[in-house]
Amino acid sequence: EDQVTQSPEALRLQEGESSSLNCSYTVSGLRGLFWYRQDPGKGPEFLFTLYSAGEEKEKERLKATLTKKESFLHITAPKPEDSATYLCAVQVKASNDYKLSFGAGTTVTVRA
Amino acid sequence: GAGVSQSPSNKVTEKGKDVELRCDPISGHTALYWYRQSLGQGLEFLIYFQGNSAPDKSGLPSDRFSAERTGGSVSTLTIQRTQQEDSAVYLCASSLGDRGSQPQHFGDGTRLSIL
Repeated sequence: EDQVTQSPEALRLQEGESSSLNCSYTVSGLRGLFWYRQDPGKGPEFLFTLYSAGEEKEKERLKATLTKKESFLHITAPKPEDSATYLCAVQVKASNDYKLSFGAGTTVTVRA
Repeated sequence: GAGVSQSPSNKVTEKGKDVELRCDPISGHTALYWYRQSLGQGLEFLIYFQGNSAPDKSGLPSDRFSAERTGGSVSTLTIQRTQQEDSAVYLCASSLGDRGSQPQHFGDGTRLSIL
């Protein structure tokens, strides 16, 4: 069965304290992996898509990397505005196309 | 607006009542998705539309749930005879092209509370 697991569930950081979030997956036929950011009371906001092992994407203080079994979202020198829940989603093979399977998310809190 | 719009943003209703949730996707997006998000849980897929057709309804949890899409645009998710376990945030997303070819863009959801 396809599974997407994110760790840790919650992460508390001091401003400027870099860290990484993990998304591990066991799926057959991985086509792509997506990272989203979700603020309280809002819908997920698309951040990155990764398609192949070794690929990296960057946006401001965020960098996403992908291996054959997991992805990491690195937050460098975070600021309080980086506080959010970060969701990982994996494209898995459906009958005729691909659908997204989401992890439960990592809630990041950055203190000033 | 430029993004996915959902209404109402909040809905409180009594157990046993029917509810209708509305989603207005980004203009030009042919694919539309409904998800459910419960506290501490990942997003649970409900249904996928391509145009007005629903090629994947596999996530609808029971026959009390139904959805339709008209004009290749607005979609309505209907829950009949609501139960307390239906309480959740219902999210709608849309994307260009076929499912899996482009990122999905989400609305802010409808928070449904069943008393």
